[in-house]
Amino acid sequence: AQSVTQLGSHVSVSEGALVLLRCNYSSSVPPYLFWYVQYPNQGLQLLLKYTSAATLVKGINGFEAEFKKSETSFHLTKPSAHMSDAAEYFCAVSVSGNQFYFGTGTSLTVIP
Amino acid sequence: KAGVTQTPRYLIKTRGQQVTLSCSPISGHRSVSWYQQTPGQGLQFLFEYFSETQRNKGNFPGRFSGRQFSNSRSEMNVSTLELGDSALYLCASSLVGRVSTDTQYFGPGTRLTVL
Repeated sequence: AQSVTQLGSHVSVSEGALVLLRCNYSSSVPPYLFWYVQYPNQGLQLLLKYTSAATLVKGINGFEAEFKKSETSFHLTKPSAHMSDAAEYFCAVSVSGNQFYFGTGTSLTVIP
Repeated sequence: KAGVTQTPRYLIKTRGQQVTLSCSPISGHRSVSWYQQTPGQGLQFLFEYFSETQRNKGNFPGRFSGRQFSNSRSEMNVSTLELGDSALYLCASSLVGRVSTDTQYFGPGTRLTVL
């Protein structure tokens, strides 16, 4: 079975500080991994995805994530937080078909 | 190109009633997936439709059903509503549902409140 664990349901960072959102996955086969962002009253928007190519994946809005098989992790980072980054972030895994398993989400607050 | 649209955006029903939600995918997309989002359970996969056929199904009771039409529009139905069905229901579409190459685009969701 596949599952995703996001450590920290709430993360606060100062504007300009490093953003680090943690995601660990469980999968019996090589997974596809995703990060999505959700702004209030909106659907999810894809930030980036890992599909077994480069382990360091660059996404939109300056975000990137590194796939570490040995740690079963896919943490999301951004060097410098912006106020507009405040949102809910979801990590997801898919191994076959088009069925996604999502983490419970991390709410990011950016402090001015 | 228009995004994924969901109607209605908000819905209030009472226990025991049934409800139908609609999703129009991006033009050209043939795969439509449905998710339930609640504060307690997060995002959970309901089912996926491709070319009018249910291709994948999550772990939800039979009260939750769906269908897809020849134009790829999809509907989701919940019968005998329970309080716990209150949630944001999200629809997502992609070209053919191939995870390795497709991108899944989400609609804004339908907020269902069951009283």
